[in-house]
Amino acid sequence: DQQVKQNSPSLSVQEGRISILNCDYTNSMFDYFLWYKKYPAEGPTFLISISSIKDKNEDGRFTVFLNKSAKHLSLHIVPSQPGDSAVYFCAANGGNTPLVFGKGTRLSVIA
Amino acid sequence: DGGITQSPKYLFRKEGQNVTLSCEQNLNHDAMYWYRQDPGQGLRLIYYSQIVNDFQKGDIAEGYSVSREKKESFPLTVTSAQKNPTAFYLCASSLGTDSFYGYTFGSGTRLTVV
Repeated sequence: DQQVKQNSPSLSVQEGRISILNCDYTNSMFDYFLWYKKYPAEGPTFLISISSIKDKNEDGRFTVFLNKSAKHLSLHIVPSQPGDSAVYFCAANGGNTPLVFGKGTRLSVIA
Repeated sequence: DGGITQSPKYLFRKEGQNVTLSCEQNLNHDAMYWYRQDPGQGLRLIYYSQIVNDFQKGDIAEGYSVSREKKESFPLTVTSAQKNPTAFYLCASSLGTDSFYGYTFGSGTRLTVV
């Protein structure tokens, strides 16, 4: 049973516009959430994270929002750039357990 | 520079063979992990180790084995019992297993059964 769900396999956005990637989770014990970016044939790289005591975290063009009551988080990229084209994974964990990953969303930023 | 190294980058295995994927880190991280990526499946946990000489099964451990004899090394053996081993394998490490420790990933090994 999927504990972390990314329901959109792909997303296309024009350069300069906002990209919004969504993630839902089912495990109430999760208290830390991360987004990773991955290019083909490479390992994922850490992008941004948020703990359950916050509802928003910003880092430059990237903002993550957490809605605990809805068990939903989203990643906003503003403005989107062609170099942002990659697969984005949402991940979560709680306590002393390994990260659980979603299936990923492939973002294509069109120039 | 500190990092995590996986080798080889590409590996071909014949049916019925065991193969071992290498993962080495010089980050002084206590915890290490193996994930498998298949198209449309995301990253699924195979095994993880929180300390030397100890490891736990993940969600898809069947057909795999690991060892953790040194802090720096966490090799993964794909045995002949693994029915569908063709995939992209990722090794990761973290300072600890508490929630707030992010993972550093290697660049992966693509295993193909021929």
